[in-house]
Amino acid sequence: AQSVTQPDIHITVSEGASLELRCNYSYGATPYLFWYVQSPGQGLQLLLKYFSGDTLVQGIKGFEAEFKRSQSSFNLRKPSVHWSDAAEYFCAVGAEGGFKTIFGAGTRLFVKA
Amino acid sequence: GAGVSQSPSNKVTEKGKDVELRCDPISGHTALYWYRQSLGQGLEFLIYFQGNSAPDKSGLPSDRFSAERTGGSVSTLTIQRTQQEDSAVYLCASSARQNQPQHFGDGTRLSIL
Repeated sequence: AQSVTQPDIHITVSEGASLELRCNYSYGATPYLFWYVQSPGQGLQLLLKYFSGDTLVQGIKGFEAEFKRSQSSFNLRKPSVHWSDAAEYFCAVGAEGGFKTIFGAGTRLFVKA
Repeated sequence: GAGVSQSPSNKVTEKGKDVELRCDPISGHTALYWYRQSLGQGLEFLIYFQGNSAPDKSGLPSDRFSAERTGGSVSTLTIQRTQQEDSAVYLCASSARQNQPQHFGDGTRLSIL
């Protein structure tokens, strides 16, 4: 069965510092991978997705993520964090064959001045 | 264009009452999901509709919860005999087809007194 793990419940970074949020998945075949962001009081918004091809994908708001099959990971990165990036970030995994997309528990990002 | 619409945006009701939450997905989207998000928590999957297939009800927490999707479009989530632990934000999402990126509504905030 599919599963997705976000090991960090919350992370605090300084504004301007780099960011990496971890996501590990469990699935036998090539998964479909997503990162969503939920700003305070807002709905969820898609940041980026990976289906196939180039393992480094670019998303909105300056985010990128890299699919590493050998590590079953899809970590989200940003070179320089802005205060407006403070939010909850969710990794999700899907697959063909009747499996629904499932979400990780989320990582809450705090940004300090 | 129109996104996923949920109504009502807020609902306050007394314990023991029944409630109905409505979701209007993006036109043409075949997949529809319901999630529950308690305060400060991640997404709890409730139910998934995909086209004309039987819905995946594996996430419904009890038999007080049910959902239907009429004509492959609008969906209603019904909670009977509400309990205080049902208080949460109920999110609906749709996608063009299975495992495509999900588009989320703004949610219904349900408060049980």
